[in-house]
Amino acid sequence: DVKVTQSSRYLVKRTGEKVFLECVQDMDHENMFWYRQDPGLGLRLIYFSYDVKMKEKGDIPEGYSVSREKKERFSLILESASTNQTSMYLCASSPIQGPREKLFFGSGTQLSVL
Amino acid sequence: LAKTTQPISMDSYEGQEVNITCSHNNIATNDYITWYQQFPSQGPRFIIQGYKTKVTNEVASLFIPADRKSSTLSLPRVSLSDTAVYYCLVGEGSGNTGKLIFGQGTTLQVKP
Repeated sequence: DVKVTQSSRYLVKRTGEKVFLECVQDMDHENMFWYRQDPGLGLRLIYFSYDVKMKEKGDIPEGYSVSREKKERFSLILESASTNQTSMYLCASSPIQGPREKLFFGSGTQLSVL
Repeated sequence: LAKTTQPISMDSYEGQEVNITCSHNNIATNDYITWYQQFPSQGPRFIIQGYKTKVTNEVASLFIPADRKSSTLSLPRVSLSDTAVYYCLVGEGSGNTGKLIFGQGTTLQVKP
């Protein structure tokens, strides 16, 4: 089975801190995604990457950046955390061969910014 | 800009068939339609995927009309454990490098 691992299940940070959310997948997938999920707003795409060192903006990239130095790892960075970034963050991956819409998700990181 | 629209919520009773429809008017030619199930505090889980006509697996069926501007997820004989949020997903743009945009999700409540 494909495994997508997010480094933390719960995280509490203070306003202004730099925050790193890590995601690792073990299936050699080319595509990786970061979504955030808030009540009533569903899943919103922050950034995605279809290759090492490649990144593309999703619908809500403001306040975030990403890093993809290795194929299996995709990091989401909050340069200066703010309270409106309190959310559930979900990482996903998919292969480039075949339908890319078959995503495999991690369990999520619940981030609280105080 | 691709946009998906689903009903916000649905109620059903155990043993009934449930149909959830998603509209995706601007789906790209090469993109598939994929449905996910999500339980609280978990990541979404793949249910079924299709390109056109009908697809069936051990969990659900997916109906896609010829124009592909909508799709319907059909869950036969639901049980209490099917209570979850269901999302449809389509791509935006052609090729492998476009966004993957989720609908708002449909909260299905199955009652005894």
